[in-house]
Amino acid sequence: NAGVTQTPKFQVLKTGQSMTLQCAQDMNHNSMYWYRQDPGMGLRLIYYSASEGTTDKGEVPNGYNVSRLNKREFSLRLESAAPSQTSVYFCASRRQGLAANEKLFFGSGTQLSVL
Amino acid sequence: SQQGEEDPQALSIQEGENATMNCSYKTSINNLQWYRQNSGRGLVHLILIRSNEREKHSGRLRVTLDTSKKSSSLLITASRAADTASYFCATDEGNTGKLIFGQGTTLQVKP
Repeated sequence: NAGVTQTPKFQVLKTGQSMTLQCAQDMNHNSMYWYRQDPGMGLRLIYYSASEGTTDKGEVPNGYNVSRLNKREFSLRLESAAPSQTSVYFCASRRQGLAANEKLFFGSGTQLSVL
Repeated sequence: SQQGEEDPQALSIQEGENATMNCSYKTSINNLQWYRQNSGRGLVHLILIRSNEREKHSGRLRVTLDTSKKSSSLLITASRAADTASYFCATDEGNTGKLIFGQGTTLQVKP
């Protein structure tokens, strides 16, 4: 089992460029999440999808869009990258969403630099 | 602002000592979870405590939860150099599906 797979692992963008971070899980999980991690800030939730067909904003959604393509895949898009979006991005998933007491499984992260 | 706030931000101890980290939160939760992150890696789940539980053990880990004070603590007993990592609490709001992380505690265990 691969678990949660994120691509790419590293990316450098120029201000104003767009890109999509890909995430796929092979555990038949219902819920998927995107977080960003900045030094000293812990992880902040960008968007999440509690189940296939739904997406909701997290703590820091501005500047991002998401697509729950199917049950396996949840992508994060930066339409016009800004230096403030330089961060490490983590995708995570878990079996069930609401009130189910389930743990998260994380991908290995995407290190994004916006110049 | 983040749901969970952790204390201390950094902790340095000798091998064999115990390490205690605290987490406070603001809203009602279904459960509280603790994760570990080794440098440059993704997070790994350690332990989950439900809102109706007060204490839980897993190996050298002991977690307590006080819902009246909206706080939790993680105790690592007999620490080892391999426990050096960052530790995060995360609150599961359950009814929304959100899982919100604290800022983390960086633990250094000196051999």
